[in-house]
Amino acid sequence: DGGITQSPKYLFRKEGQNVTLSCEQNLNHDAMYWYRQDPGQGLRLIYYSQIVNDFQKGDIAEGYSVSREKKESFPLTVTSAQKNPTAFYLCASTATANTGELFFGEGSRLTVL
Amino acid sequence: GENVEQHPSTLSVQEGDSAVIKCTYSDSASNYFPWYKQELGKGPQLIIDIRSNVGEKKDQRIAVTLNKTAKHFSLHITETQPEDSAVYFCAASMSGLTGGGNKLTFGTGTQLKVEL
Repeated sequence: DGGITQSPKYLFRKEGQNVTLSCEQNLNHDAMYWYRQDPGQGLRLIYYSQIVNDFQKGDIAEGYSVSREKKESFPLTVTSAQKNPTAFYLCASTATANTGELFFGEGSRLTVL
Repeated sequence: GENVEQHPSTLSVQEGDSAVIKCTYSDSASNYFPWYKQELGKGPQLIIDIRSNVGEKKDQRIAVTLNKTAKHFSLHITETQPEDSAVYFCAASMSGLTGGGNKLTFGTGTQLKVEL
């Protein structure tokens, strides 16, 4: 089945460690996105990529980094510079940058111990 | 930038009743308004959307209305069922000629509980 796969589903990290969340899609979509979800705050955009080898900062990019070396992959690294990294992270894609429907993965829950 | 406010944050209804969730947006240039449903432990899924050239759109038991002048849009669910229990998010964006989906601004979500 076509869709977006995020891994791992749950991740624990010690303070000061970087961690990378994986996002893979087999929908042949051009655009991919990372959102952060915190209780009572909705979804906030971290980074997005409209095409391979290109990405832009979203509203809360500080302490995060991404790469887009392949169309199907858009990994997110949560660095030690992110002050409050414990959250639920959602990856999404759209067929093109201007297409309406966002398709989401099932999310990765990161907990910093 | 765009700001989207969503109310209420929680909503309990009896099975069979209607549920209404309301959102307001700040940027009059926004022209695409989707609604997403998120079940526990899952990613959100699009359930309905509306563009600013339309005032109302229906899909079976769900409908969305848009008031551009007041910058309000609402989700209406009729004949609610237990499987409607979930978190619902509204969102807004400015889109190109072919639609929107890039850089959506989301509301804070409504936890809907449908009680038997």
